[in-house]
Amino acid sequence: AQKVTQAQTEISVVEKEDVTLDCVYETRDTTYYLFWYKQPPSGELVFLIRRNSFDEQNEISGRYSWNFQKSTSSFNFTITASQVVDSAVYFCALSEASGGSYIPTFGRGTSLIVHP
Amino acid sequence: EPEVTQTPSHQVTQMGQEVILRCVPISNHLYFYWYRQILGQKVEFLVSFYNNEISEKSEIFDDQFSVERPDGSNFTLKIRSTKLEDSAMYFCASNTPTEEVDEQYFGPGTRLTVT
Repeated sequence: AQKVTQAQTEISVVEKEDVTLDCVYETRDTTYYLFWYKQPPSGELVFLIRRNSFDEQNEISGRYSWNFQKSTSSFNFTITASQVVDSAVYFCALSEASGGSYIPTFGRGTSLIVHP
Repeated sequence: EPEVTQTPSHQVTQMGQEVILRCVPISNHLYFYWYRQILGQKVEFLVSFYNNEISEKSEIFDDQFSVERPDGSNFTLKIRSTKLEDSAMYFCASNTPTEEVDEQYFGPGTRLTVT
């Protein structure tokens, strides 16, 4: 069975601090996808990234970076120089690779609060 | 920029009634999804749809639920005989994943309240 653990329920930082959101996963599949999604206070879901299990390269997109480590089954997300607009709930998810569609299992989310 | 739309934004229904939630995915996307999120809880996958049939579904997606693409644009989720525990936000999403392009686009959600 697949499982995603986001141990941090809530993180509170002051603007411009760096913050890392942890994600640990469990799967028996050798091929899978990992995701991060953002849910701002307005409620919509925003896709941030998909990572294939064969690709352990870290990714950077502006102030966002992701560290995928298969050895520790982790896919952590770092926001550099956080801003108030980063305040949201962030969900990590894991999906088996099934043709072209996803079958994601979500973590419970980490609520990030960035104070001005 | 293309977007996924959902109607209605809020639906209130009585227990036992049937509801249909509507989604218009992005026009050139091939895969469609429904997710739900009970208030304050995690997001849960319900079903994915490709080539006019269900490609994957979760344990939540039982006989009470059905999906349909009645025409070339709409993608609907029908919930028969709604229960109180069906109250949630329902999100539709679409994409056409490739190795290079993987973004999944979500609609704004429909809040379903079962009374």
